[in-house]
Amino acid sequence: QQQVKQSPQSLIVQKGGISIINCAYENTAFDYFPWYQQFPGKGPALLIAIRPDVSEKKEGRFTISFNKSAKQFSLHIMDSQPGDSATYFCAASLLYGGATNKLIFGTGTLLAVQP
Amino acid sequence: GAGVSQSPRYKVAKRGQDVALRCDPISGHVSLFWYQQALGQGPEFLTYFQNEAQLDKSGLPSDRFFAERPEGSVSTLKIQRTQQEDSAVYLCASSLVTGGVLNEQFFGPGTRLTVL
Repeated sequence: QQQVKQSPQSLIVQKGGISIINCAYENTAFDYFPWYQQFPGKGPALLIAIRPDVSEKKEGRFTISFNKSAKQFSLHIMDSQPGDSATYFCAASLLYGGATNKLIFGTGTLLAVQP
Repeated sequence: GAGVSQSPRYKVAKRGQDVALRCDPISGHVSLFWYQQALGQGPEFLTYFQNEAQLDKSGLPSDRFFAERPEGSVSTLKIQRTQQEDSAVYLCASSLVTGGVLNEQFFGPGTRLTVL
């Protein structure tokens, strides 16, 4: 019940295209869904996050779509650039009411944006 | 200001050796987390501190793993009698508060542990 499932495992997109990464969760108590970006040799860095009371959040070229009934959420990267090439992780957590706020991560998506 | 720092960045150990990994969180951050990231996988939670109190150690894989944060700032993750399956990147993260909208976790660069 703690799992977060992520797909695809890898993704190749042309420059200027849209990258879409999907995640599904099981625990309906989760109330915080961040996306992290990780470059080789670096730690994950927060990209964008959403709470389940909204269905969409946009920050620049990055958009999270959230479907509470389906227990799914996705990351859309518009106008993808070679600099976006990295590994992306979705995650879920308990923002309130939990003692830990530990992040449960998906397995990651390796994105390559071709020039 | 400075981010989360970890040392060493790389550690090679022979099977059976003990290792100690250090994390310096962002100054003033109350919460500190350790995660283990196996090659090609997402980070997995190991343990959590709120100040000096270890409130959750449910992710520690065995009693060979031990973590401490005695003064509520720097933390050390110790692995005794290392095994090959301990080879991974160990990530430390800190956040300003526990819970709430200010709980963004900031990650360090990790320590890559290789057990031969």
